[in-house]
Amino acid sequence: GESVGLHLPTLSVQEGDNSIINCAYSNSASDYFIWYKQESGKGPQFIIDIRSNMDKRQGQRVTVLLNKTVKHLSLQIAATQPGDSAVYFCAETSGGATNKLIFGTGTLLAVQP
Amino acid sequence: SAVISQKPSRDICQRGTSLTIQCQVDSQVTMMFWYRQQPGQSLTLIATANQGSEATYESGFVIDKFPISRPNLTFSTLTVSNMSPEDSSIYLCSVAGGYTDTQYFGPGTRLTVL
Repeated sequence: GESVGLHLPTLSVQEGDNSIINCAYSNSASDYFIWYKQESGKGPQFIIDIRSNMDKRQGQRVTVLLNKTVKHLSLQIAATQPGDSAVYFCAETSGGATNKLIFGTGTLLAVQP
Repeated sequence: SAVISQKPSRDICQRGTSLTIQCQVDSQVTMMFWYRQQPGQSLTLIATANQGSEATYESGFVIDKFPISRPNLTFSTLTVSNMSPEDSSIYLCSVAGGYTDTQYFGPGTRLTVL
């Protein structure tokens, strides 16, 4: 779950298309997962979370899917907009949001007009 | 959600000096954390700021380098001591517990050490 280098994976999508950002988490004991959006020059912004007793959770234009068997998390963004351009991080923890988070490496989403 | 502010928002400092970063939240929270984000990288936890007791540091981070205070349930400080250019990073506080339903982050402090 620690950062692994200076080059972020990049996902480039056309405006209006759906985006899928993937994350492999590291700890099979993790039971709470959060997706954050970080725009340039800002702190991470909460998007959506999911607990391990769920496989899917939907928000406004976003859906998070959790596959515990393969320790995989995905964030789906419907009808991607230019304002969605940012770096997206998944984070994992055990015992709930009051515990320390372990972050994935992040994915840069670039939305082409 | 919680409204979190950090001061300063950015600073440029000389090698060998120290900088204290403040984090203020608008409601009482159980937990406050300090993270570091090096340029182009992900977030790494420095320590958990414990109210009324010494902070709990992660592997690779020590109190002499990153002293932390948490005098109450809405405020914490992180000091970056005896700075070197390798300390150039974004420093972020986060909060959880109390009336918050997840972990929220402040806007960050962008530190450049010359």
